[in-house]
Amino acid sequence: DAKTTQPTSMDCAEGRAANLPCNHSTISGNEYVYWYRQIHSQGPQYIIHGLKNNETNEMASLIITEDRKSSTLILPHATLRDTAVYYCIVRVPYNQGGKLIFGQGTELSVKP
Amino acid sequence: NAGVTQTPKFRVLKTGQSMTLLCAQDMNHEYMYWYRQDPGMGLRLIHYSVGEGTTAKGEVPDGYNVSRLKKQNFLLGLESAAPSQTSVYFCASGRVSLETQYFGPGTRLLVL
Repeated sequence: DAKTTQPTSMDCAEGRAANLPCNHSTISGNEYVYWYRQIHSQGPQYIIHGLKNNETNEMASLIITEDRKSSTLILPHATLRDTAVYYCIVRVPYNQGGKLIFGQGTELSVKP
Repeated sequence: NAGVTQTPKFRVLKTGQSMTLLCAQDMNHEYMYWYRQDPGMGLRLIHYSVGEGTTAKGEVPDGYNVSRLKKQNFLLGLESAAPSQTSVYFCASGRVSLETQYFGPGTRLLVL
């Protein structure tokens, strides 16, 4: 399974874009990149996922480099409620059970 | 829809006692998962199930057993609780396709 590397913590000013990086240099061709977040010990919440192309939804944008060895999650206008631990996860193939392997994540603090 | 629910929300056990954690989902998902989360760490997969009547081991299966007798329920059992099993337990469910996982609110277990 591909491993991911994320910074331990980051700060962001309220209203500014939060850019959370993730390295996954050993990712294989059929593995997707998923982002989840966990707010104050609640159950993790899905944000976005992608394979090769950049993706955008109502919560965030995901930028994946052309070689797929790294990606960036972008929260365009961070609010205080976005303070959470953000997990970048590489998904094993679904025929292996679709497991998500969680790492330590990035603790994002959005400040007024 | 209630989504994913977990019972109980909090429990205190003495070393050597047994208990069962119940996870229920009403989204007709094929896959279900049990994770544990220790303080300051990411989630670790204990066991998972890809369908009714099937179970498989995850990263940290020792000391736990699971059963999936009904599609909507996934039970996690501790036969003889140990202090090392003090943790927050999260259940999740998902579809067969490369869909997201939906998490429950967690069960906080303290083993004395």
